[in-house]
Amino acid sequence: GDSVTQMEGPVTLSEEAFLTINCTYTATGYPSLFWYVQYPGEGLQLLLKATKADDKGSNKGFEATYRKETTSFHLEKGSVQVSDSAVYFCAPHYMIYNQGGKLIFGQGTELSVKP
Amino acid sequence: ETGVTQTPRHLVMGMTNKKSLKCEQHLGHNAMYWYKQSAKKPLELMFVYNFKEQTENNSVPSRFSPECPNSSHLFLHLHTLQPEDSALYLCASSQDLANQETQYFGPGTRLLVL
Repeated sequence: GDSVTQMEGPVTLSEEAFLTINCTYTATGYPSLFWYVQYPGEGLQLLLKATKADDKGSNKGFEATYRKETTSFHLEKGSVQVSDSAVYFCAPHYMIYNQGGKLIFGQGTELSVKP
Repeated sequence: ETGVTQTPRHLVMGMTNKKSLKCEQHLGHNAMYWYKQSAKKPLELMFVYNFKEQTENNSVPSRFSPECPNSSHLFLHLHTLQPEDSALYLCASSQDLANQETQYFGPGTRLLVL
């Protein structure tokens, strides 16, 4: 079935380090791709999205490019801050014929940024 | 108040108790969702409501009973839970099912079953 795989956390980085969180999805159909972020004590919120191949989603210094050939949507940031400490969820959205859509969340990758 | 709110934020209950979780959204949305978030596991979708009608139940045990009296409120009634039901329960909403890829989440209820 449809699924998504994220790199396991926790990921611990120093401030201003480069971040990559890997995400791959199953290539059933042509999903839209999303990253959600969950800050401590809060619910998830949409971070960025890409709806077709080679699209780049970006927000708050984070970027992710829709790579159809590798079925990946890796999250990157050039210089992380302590305030980026959170759990990041990759989430493809699959359209199911005659049933609408389904948003599938990965298990989340915890990021901890130290000063 | 704005966004999606959930009460209580924390709940401790025994296996014989009955309790309810409440979710309220102030966004004018028509679809609402219950998720279970456990450590190291993918977010599990439990129930989906669209215009007050349940459209999805992902094989959730009957000890969890949802209720959606109107498009703004969603409840999760709990009875005779098990310790493995301890988790963070998240409520979310979206404009409708056609726009479910953009969901707005509440802060969750942290549930501990003793």
